[in-house]
Amino acid sequence: EVQLVESGGGLVQPGGSLKLSCAASGFTFSGSAMHWVRQASGKGLEWVGRIRSKANSYATAYAASVKGRFTISRDDSKNTAYLQMNSLKTEDTAVYYCTRKWIAAAGKGGFDYWGQGTLVTVSS
Amino acid sequence: EIVLTQSPGTLSLSPGERATLSCRASQSVSSSYLAWYQQKPGQAPRLLIYGASSRATGIPDRFSGSGSGTDFTLTISRLEPEDFAVYYCQQYGSSTFTFGPGTKVDIK
Repeated sequence: EVQLVESGGGLVQPGGSLKLSCAASGFTFSGSAMHWVRQASGKGLEWVGRIRSKANSYATAYAASVKGRFTISRDDSKNTAYLQMNSLKTEDTAVYYCTRKWIAAAGKGGFDYWGQGTLVTVSS
Repeated sequence: EIVLTQSPGTLSLSPGERATLSCRASQSVSSSYLAWYQQKPGQAPRLLIYGASSRATGIPDRFSGSGSGTDFTLTISRLEPEDFAVYYCQQYGSSTFTFGPGTKVDIK
């Protein structure tokens, strides 16, 4: 059974830092691109960023709203992805999901497995 | 950055009716990179459609996707009680992903 379990959320002051973890099981983590998606309360989904596999040089990409502040990394030996969030703003308050990018063929695919999400609250 | 617009914002229908949801992109999107998700309150999103028209594993055939270029459609042929939810389209391009604002399908 595929599982993605996020942890590390909590309350942090504006300007502070927080590191989220996403522990994966039930699939070949090392071969998968991992993404982070967030959702503010009552709002829509916002893609945060991704990290590709070792075969793709662990390439990262980020949404403009978090670029330069957030960093995604992974430890394939622990089947875990991370989201380091620095210089946090009140508008970063959201539930943060990790999700796997599944590719069927010819580049087609989507985010097929999701964690349950972890809440990050940025407030003084 | 490609911006996705979804319409209508809310669709009020009865069980058994047909739902047609629209997703429009600000510039052309490869069909390979257009997906649809369903989200229910308190739950993570669920992948429904990928590659604009392919159903994900375990998705009932009452869900279908179509479209190309800048206009894409998700159709639910006959609404079941469990289909009342929010639906998001998503595209991938130039190493970034974007979601549409969502369409809420609620019970009339």
